Amino acid sequence: QQQVKQSPQSLIVQKGGISIINCAYENTAFDYFPWYQQFPGKGPALLIAIRPDVSEKKEGRFTISFNKSAKQFSLHIMDSQPGDSATYFCAATTNVRNTDKLIFGTGTRLQVFP
Amino acid sequence: DTGVSQNPRHKITKRGQNVTFRCDPISEHNRLYWYRQTLGQGPEFLTYFQNEAQLEKSRLLSDRFSAERPKGSFSTLEIQRTEQGDSAMYLCASSLKGLLGTHEQYFGPGTRLTVT
Repeated sequence: QQQVKQSPQSLIVQKGGISIINCAYENTAFDYFPWYQQFPGKGPALLIAIRPDVSEKKEGRFTISFNKSAKQFSLHIMDSQPGDSATYFCAATTNVRNTDKLIFGTGTRLQVFP
Repeated sequence: DTGVSQNPRHKITKRGQNVTFRCDPISEHNRLYWYRQTLGQGPEFLTYFQNEAQLEKSRLLSDRFSAERPKGSFSTLEIQRTEQGDSAMYLCASSLKGLLGTHEQYFGPGTRLTVT
């Protein structure tokens, strides 16, 4: 019940295209869903996050879509650029019992070709 | 630079040796977390502190692992009698935990441990 399932494992997109990464969860107590971007040899960088009281959040070229009833959320990268080539992780956490440890998905390696 | 810092960035050690890593969180952050990341996987939670109190430890944290945050500022993670299976990236994150729930966790660059 603690798992977060992420797909696809890898994604190849042409420059200017839309990259879409999907995540699904089981634990209905999760109440915070961040996405992280990680470049090789670096730590994960917080990209964008959403709470279940909204269905969509947009920041620049990055949008999270959230479907509470389906227990799914996704990251959309519009106008994908070669500099977006990285590994993306979805995560989830809950504030129940005053713990907010992040449960991560297995990651999606995105390659954007010019 | 006011982000999370970790030292050393890389550590190579022989099996059976002890190693210690340090994490300096963002200065006003009261929560500090340790995660471990193996190649091709997402980070896995190890433990976290609120100020100097260690509030939760994962089952991944065997008796050979110990973490401290003595003054509620920096933290250390020590691994005793290292094993080859301990080879991983050890990540530290910090957040500002307020009254209204979860806040964003910001990660450091990590310490890459290789046990030979």
